[in-house]
Amino acid sequence: DAGVIQSPRHEVTEMGQEVTLRCKPISGHDYLFWYRQTMMRGLELLIYFNNNVPIDDSGMPEDRFSAKMPNASFSTLKIQPSEPRDSAVYFCASSVAGAPNEQFFGPGTRLTVL
Amino acid sequence: AQTVTQSQPEMSVQEAETVTLSCTYDTSENNYYLFWYKQPPSRQMILVIRQEAYKQQNATENRFSVNFQKAAKSFSLKISDSQLGDTAMYFCAFLTIRDDKIIFGKGTRLHILP
Repeated sequence: DAGVIQSPRHEVTEMGQEVTLRCKPISGHDYLFWYRQTMMRGLELLIYFNNNVPIDDSGMPEDRFSAKMPNASFSTLKIQPSEPRDSAVYFCASSVAGAPNEQFFGPGTRLTVL
Repeated sequence: AQTVTQSQPEMSVQEAETVTLSCTYDTSENNYYLFWYKQPPSRQMILVIRQEAYKQQNATENRFSVNFQKAAKSFSLKISDSQLGDTAMYFCAFLTIRDDKIIFGKGTRLHILP
C-alpha cells in the first residue's frame, strides 16, 4: 500500500485566497483525521471522520475552515478565505476500526499564506 | 479531560549513548493505549512503539523500549545505542478504548550528536 497520500506537499498562497488540501487514506481504513501542526500550538486535531461521516469538528478553528469526505478514498480540507495565521503543516492520518487504532500519517502539506 | 505532558522540550546526546524521554499523562480511564511517534526532519510521523495499559510487560522494539508505570501515569521512552538517524521530534500520545481521538503531547526535540 502507498500509505496516506496528501497533495500538494507545499502550497504558497496570498491572503484571501481559497486553499484546498487533499488526502487519500489507506484503503480499508475507517477513520480519517486532519491535524494542524505549528511551532506555537504543536499538533492539533481539527476534525475526524468515521466511515465518511464527520464525528468531531470541535477543533476546526473557525468557519473559514471546512472539511469533506465524499467517499472512503478522498477527503478535502478547505480554507476560505486564507489568512497568514493559517500558515502551518497540515497532516492527514487514517486508521482502521478496532484497538489499538494506530494512526498512519501522510507526509503533510506545508501551507504558507502571505 | 485527558492530558499528555512532555516536560523536556529539547535534548541532545552523543551518538551511541542511551537517552530517555519523559512522558506523563492524566486520565480517569483504566483501559487505554500509549504511543510514541517519531517525526524526523522529513516531517513524516512514524509510530515507534505502543503499549497497551492492561499489559504489565514493557513494550520493546529493537533499540526502543518503554518504562510504563501505570500507577504513576508515566510512559518514558528509552533509546539505546542512539544513532544519528534518531534525530527527530518525539511525541508521546494517548488513546482510550472508548474514544477515537489520540491526544498528543507537545513533543521533545532530540538531537543525536556525532
